[in-house]
Amino acid sequence: AQTVTQSQPEMSVQEAETVTLSCTYDTSESDYYLFWYKQPPSRQMILVIRQEAYKQQNATENRFSVNFQKAAKSFSLKISDSQLGDAAMYFCAYRSAGGATNKLIFGTGTLLAVQP
Amino acid sequence: EAGVAQSPRYKIIEKRQSVAFWCNPISGHATLYWYQQILGQGPKLLIQFQNNGVVDDSQLPKDRFSAERLKGVDSTLKIQPAKLEDSAVYLCASSLDGGRAGYEQYFGPGTRLTVT
Repeated sequence: AQTVTQSQPEMSVQEAETVTLSCTYDTSESDYYLFWYKQPPSRQMILVIRQEAYKQQNATENRFSVNFQKAAKSFSLKISDSQLGDAAMYFCAYRSAGGATNKLIFGTGTLLAVQP
Repeated sequence: EAGVAQSPRYKIIEKRQSVAFWCNPISGHATLYWYQQILGQGPKLLIQFQNNGVVDDSQLPKDRFSAERLKGVDSTLKIQPAKLEDSAVYLCASSLDGGRAGYEQYFGPGTRLTVT
């Protein structure tokens, strides 16, 4: 079975600085997707960025980028120029590319605080 | 485009009572998911529907939980009877397709259930 581990329960960053959130996963599959979701206090999960495992190039979305190390099964999220609105719980998630089920397997989350 | 709608937003019940949650996915989305998010944990898939058929309900406690998606549109998740450990946020999500394409799952605002 696949597992996702986030070892940082809480992180803090100064406004305008850069922060990196860590995520490792375990799988025997070769084809899958990885995601970072943001969950603010409103509880609505918002997709931040996604990475296809077959792509070697790291995904980027504006101030958000990932460092995908397939051999090491590592998938970290870097937030540049942090803003107050980035404060939220961040979840790393895994999804198999094959099969009928598309369930997301989530880590336990990292609570990010942004200090003004 | 309207997002995923859920109701109610909050519900407090006593143990052994029953409760039902409603979800209306984004128009045209064939796949609907119910996740359970216990405090301090990442969401866990309870059930996945493709149109009105069940694709994955392996983690649904079938002795007390039931779900249906009549006509392949909106869905209801029911708990009867509720236990204290059912206290959680219940998230509904939908995606355009449940296949290999890896379509994004869009989440609703969730229902926070407290069982006393």
